[in-house]
Amino acid sequence: QITLKESGPTLVKPTQTLTLTCTFSGFSLSTSGVGVGWIRQPPGKALQWLALIYWDDDKRYSPSLKSRLTITKDTSKNQVVLTMTNMDPVDTATYYCAHYYYDSSGSNFDYWGQGTLVTVSS
Amino acid sequence: DIQMTQSPSSLSASVGDRVTITCQASQDISNYLNWYQQKPGKAPKLLIYDASNLETGVPSRFSGSGSGTDFTFTISSLQPEDIATYYCQQFDNLPLTFGGGTKVEIK
Repeated sequence: QITLKESGPTLVKPTQTLTLTCTFSGFSLSTSGVGVGWIRQPPGKALQWLALIYWDDDKRYSPSLKSRLTITKDTSKNQVVLTMTNMDPVDTATYYCAHYYYDSSGSNFDYWGQGTLVTVSS
Repeated sequence: DIQMTQSPSSLSASVGDRVTITCQASQDISNYLNWYQQKPGKAPKLLIYDASNLETGVPSRFSGSGSGTDFTFTISSLQPEDIATYYCQQFDNLPLTFGGGTKVEIK
């Protein structure tokens, strides 16, 4: 059974750096064809993909946020960490981590964490 | 970036109705499209992958079709538990992009 859970601060101040941790179970991030992604959703708005880290440590970022994002993994702890620098009120959103499955025919986010609401305010 | 345009943005239908949502990609994405359901206050859930494949455990009243730039998501007989927002998502190219969502309500 695959589960994921996000953790981190619920409130950050403008210009601060946000650090979110995704702790997962039921799969290994050293297995081929597996990744973990981060997706966010501002209140009442659509989903926005942020970053992906693959089993082989390949990393991909949303171009619009690439300069502010860093994704890393700790395979031994079953954790993926996302940092976002220079937070702004427009970054207020629910942040989700999700298990990313991919093979030669397709890819998808087939398991999601419950999400964590991060508010950016002074 | 590939833009995904969903329509309508919201709809209201009666229990038992057939509901159809469309998703248009800004360029050819073959069948590289997924559909997710998001109930209020919950995380999204994968329903359809590769445009037309039903995820394990998902009721058969849900279906998807299409390829290229035009895709359709259908609920054959709307049930009260289907109240949610539905999103399409392309994986042909990075960045991965989602549609704007379609909110489905009961009339």
